[in-house]
Amino acid sequence: SQTIHQWPATLVQPVGSPLSLECTVEGTSNPNLYWYRQAAGRGLQLLFYSVGIGQISSEVPQNLSASRPQDRQFILSSKKLLLSDSGFYLCAWSALAGETQYFGPGTRLLVL
Amino acid sequence: SQQGEEDPQALSIQEGENATMNCSYKTSINNLQWYRQNSGRGLVHLILIRSNEREKHSGRLRVTLDTSKKSSSLLITASRAADTASYFCATDNSGGSNYKLTFGKGTLLTVNP
Repeated sequence: SQTIHQWPATLVQPVGSPLSLECTVEGTSNPNLYWYRQAAGRGLQLLFYSVGIGQISSEVPQNLSASRPQDRQFILSSKKLLLSDSGFYLCAWSALAGETQYFGPGTRLLVL
Repeated sequence: SQQGEEDPQALSIQEGENATMNCSYKTSINNLQWYRQNSGRGLVHLILIRSNEREKHSGRLRVTLDTSKKSSSLLITASRAADTASYFCATDNSGGSNYKLTFGKGTLLTVNP
């Protein structure tokens, strides 16, 4: 069966520090991968999606970047965090475009 | 702008009652999905209904889709305290890139024991 992992679960970082959040998927090949951010009490904002290794689409201009160095690995990064980067970050995968997405447990990021 | 908008934003009911949540969207879709999120957790897929379907059931869940009104409803029958969660609808966009889903802001359901 397929599983999706995210780490860390919680992260507290100072403003201006770098960020690296990792997401890995097991049990499937060539998944579509997604990074979302969820502000408190709000819906999900799509940040990036990837349809293959090295292929990244950015949905909103921001302080973050994403990379996909391996088929089932998706990394969210920042060189210098801003206060506004605080939030709940969710990684997801799908087998087919527009179909069911399967979410990881999320990373709660607090930038102080 | 949000593709999917859930209504109401919050709903509080007693255990055993039915809960109905609605979702409206703006563009043409291939399918509409409902997800559930427990506080502080990831989303869990509940049900997918395609644009050529009008109703779908899964256990205590019933989803309807009216493409002429661009709306969907999620009914949870005989609710339980464990159903307490946020519920989101998500749509693709048949006229654009369907690699992505657009999520609404969700309905927070509280089922009181």
